Parts: sequence; structure tokens; C-alpha cells
Amino acid sequence: DAKTTQPPSMDCAEGRAANLPCNHSTISGNEYVYWYRQIHSQGPQYIIHGLKNNETNEMASLIITEDRKSSTLILPHATLRDTAVYYCIVPHISNFGNEKLTFGTGTRLTIIP
Amino acid sequence: ETGVTQTPRHLVMGMTNKKSLKCEQHLGHNAMYWYKQSAKKPLELMFVYSLEERVENNSVPSRFSPECPNSSHLFLHLHTLQPEDSALYLCASSQDLSEVMNTEAFFGQGTRLTVV
Repeated sequence: DAKTTQPPSMDCAEGRAANLPCNHSTISGNEYVYWYRQIHSQGPQYIIHGLKNNETNEMASLIITEDRKSSTLILPHATLRDTAVYYCIVPHISNFGNEKLTFGTGTRLTIIP
Repeated sequence: ETGVTQTPRHLVMGMTNKKSLKCEQHLGHNAMYWYKQSAKKPLELMFVYSLEERVENNSVPSRFSPECPNSSHLFLHLHTLQPEDSALYLCASSQDLSEVMNTEAFFGQGTRLTVV
């Protein structure tokens, strides 16, 4: 299983870019990196995912290093509504042979006014 | 609004009660999931359904009984629960069973369950 390591918490000033790091040094060549976030007492929300190339959508950008051992999620202009727990996930094969998402403890991002 | 709706949003039940949690999705997805999130713990996958068949059961006690009558609905039947079962129960769906093959999972808002 490709495990991920994230800092437990981060602060970011409102309006600035929030850069959330993730280490996944045991990732294999065909495994994607996914990012979800969970705002307090709500269900997780998909943000973005990628394999090798950097990705961008309306929510965020994902920068994956060339060796794929780490990645950074970038929220370009953080707002107070971006305060949430952010999960970096590399899916793995379960004992039943299914690919599945395993949520760790994530990074608690707090946007400061 | 994710397209996955869970009811009720909050539930308080006694240890001898029987209740059911409901999840509904109108996204045309083939796979549905139940997750449990206890306080200060990561999400735990409980059950996986694909095309209305249960394909994964992660050592969940029998007091939790899932049911998937059709591809749009998923239930979690609860009976004789314990206080430690109090948690946020989340339903999710994805296009296919291989939820992570270049696709995303959509989560409901969850049911906050309190067992007294």
C-alpha cells in the first residue's frame, strides 16, 4: 500500500495561496494521487487528482514531483470557506481485490482573516 | 449539493431500538459505499456495493446490516447498537466499483448518530 504523510495542521492568511504538502514515497507507477477535503460535519468533497502531470481545475492545482514521491495541493486564493481537513490519498487494493480510498488524518487547514 | 442525499441528518436512538439510515443517489452511479467516522478518527470503510451486490464487508459487526434494493438506494439497518457506535455515518457513490480509476467519489452530508 502506498501510504501518505501530511502535516497535521497549517494556517494560511485569507487571500494568500495555501500550499499543502504530501509525501507518498512508496507510490507505484500506475497509482493516482487524490485530494479530498472535509469541512466540519460535512461529507468529504473531491478536489482533484493526478498521475504524473500537474493538474488544475476550478478549485485547485496539483503539483506532482517528477519522481512522484510527493505532491503539493495549491489553493491559489484561500478564503475562509476553505477552512477544512484536507486528505491526500493514494488508493490501494483491499483484501477483497477492490481499489479503495483510505482516509488518513489529513491536514487541518485554517484560513485566518 | 453532491447528488447524494442521506436521511435523517441526525438520529438519537436507544440501545434496544431498531432504526435505518437511508442514502439516495441520482447520479447513475453503479457503486455505493458506507463509511463510519468516529470522533477524532479517520473515515473507515464499512461496506461496498456494486450493481446492488455487496462486494466488501470490512469486519463490521452484525448489528449493522446494509441493504441495496436498487442502484439508487442504499440503507444501513441498525439494531442493538452500543454507545461506542455513535459516529457520523457517510454514504458515497462512484461511477464504477473501481472508484479510483480516474474518477471521483461523491459523498452525502452524513447522518450524525448518537446511541444512548
